Amino acid sequence: AQTVTQSQPEMSVQEAETVTLSCTYDTSESDYYLFWYKQPPSRQMILVIRQEAYKQQNATENRFSVNFQKAAKSFSLKISDSQLGDAAMYFCAYRTPTSGTYKYIFGTGTRLKVLA
Amino acid sequence: DSGVTQTPKHLITATGQRVTLRCSPRSGDLSVYWYQQSLDQGLQFLIQYYNGEERAKGNILERFSAQQFPDLHSELNLSSLELGDSALYFCASSVDPTGRNSPLHFGNGTRLTVT
Repeated sequence: AQTVTQSQPEMSVQEAETVTLSCTYDTSESDYYLFWYKQPPSRQMILVIRQEAYKQQNATENRFSVNFQKAAKSFSLKISDSQLGDAAMYFCAYRTPTSGTYKYIFGTGTRLKVLA
Repeated sequence: DSGVTQTPKHLITATGQRVTLRCSPRSGDLSVYWYQQSLDQGLQFLIQYYNGEERAKGNILERFSAQQFPDLHSELNLSSLELGDSALYFCASSVDPTGRNSPLHFGNGTRLTVT
């Protein structure tokens, strides 16, 4: 069964600095999709970035980028120039693309604190 | 704004009661997912519908049921409520799942408090 592990329950970063959140997953599939979602105190779930497993190039969205290591089954999120508004829970998610069951599996989350 | 609408935003009810949570997916999205998030916990997948049919089931209790209607809105019914059912319930939608890149778009959630 697929699993997603976020081993850092909580992280802190100084404003304007860079932080990396870790995510590992376990799967026997070769084609899948990975996502990072942000949940601020408002509890809304916001899509931050996505990565297709068949693409070798790491996805980037403004200050957010990923380091996707398919062989190691690792999908970390790097936040550059951290801002106070980045403080939130961050969830890593895995999506199976098979035509049968379209499950998204979420990790347990990492709480990011941004220090002024 | 994700385009996914959930009502009500808040719900307070007593143990043993029954409630219905409603979700309207983004325009054009055929899949609806329901997730439960207890306090400071991750998201637990409950159930998924695609174009009116149940497609996948997660850790959904027998006291809970859901359906997706012809207009694609979905309802999650929770009955015989217990204190432990207090949680944030999210609905999410996505385009045709056979697409290669269809992330989930979440509603703002319904916060259920059982007293």
